[in-house]
Amino acid sequence: GAVVSQHPSWVICKSGTSVKIECRSLDFQATTMFWYRQFPKQSLMLMATSNEGSKATYEQGVEKDKFLINHASLTLSTLTVTSAHPEDSSFYICSVQPGSGANVLTFGAGSRLTVL
Amino acid sequence: GQSLEQPSEVTAVEGAIVQINCTYQTSGFYGLSWYQQHDGGAPTFLSYNGLDGLEETGRFSSFLSRSDSYGYLLLQELQMKDSASYFCAGPPTGFQKLVFGTGTRLLVSP
Repeated sequence: GAVVSQHPSWVICKSGTSVKIECRSLDFQATTMFWYRQFPKQSLMLMATSNEGSKATYEQGVEKDKFLINHASLTLSTLTVTSAHPEDSSFYICSVQPGSGANVLTFGAGSRLTVL
Repeated sequence: GQSLEQPSEVTAVEGAIVQINCTYQTSGFYGLSWYQQHDGGAPTFLSYNGLDGLEETGRFSSFLSRSDSYGYLLLQELQMKDSASYFCAGPPTGFQKLVFGTGTRLLVSP
């Protein structure tokens, strides 16, 4: 199966700064990656679908100017949280779809963001 | 909207059998998957039902009834390590993305 590496695993930043999270597909060429956000004791909420070489598709209610997604290669997608605020503190997880079906995802280990 | 509802918490003892239900509230999902997530970890894929019926994978089985917009995950011979959150998930019809259910926290006690 696919192996997904996510970095950093945890980050603490000051309010107003930007944070970049990297998601790498180590053994699989991913034309599409999915970014999820998860608040404590809640479900995973899809933020956006990252498309290699084109613009990301954002879910309703997700600010594309605040959560910048870049998918410049088949193995790397990045999520940048711009001008982070305490309410952006969350667990951000990326995933790839190694097969042809949409039901099976392989997730990275996640990045826990804390904004002070 | 597109939603999958699950009970928030289920408790059981080691060796028991537990069923975690998932109901749709949408026009439909194409298939249903189940994921396990331990605290602080990433979700891992457990099982998938593309058609109605029962799928068995070791101690875990999953069932789907598309006509009833309902599915469940059955865990047998529970072990302490099964304590985790479980999510059903499905791609809304016509979309190549996965929407996750509300999640069920399973607590297994000795």
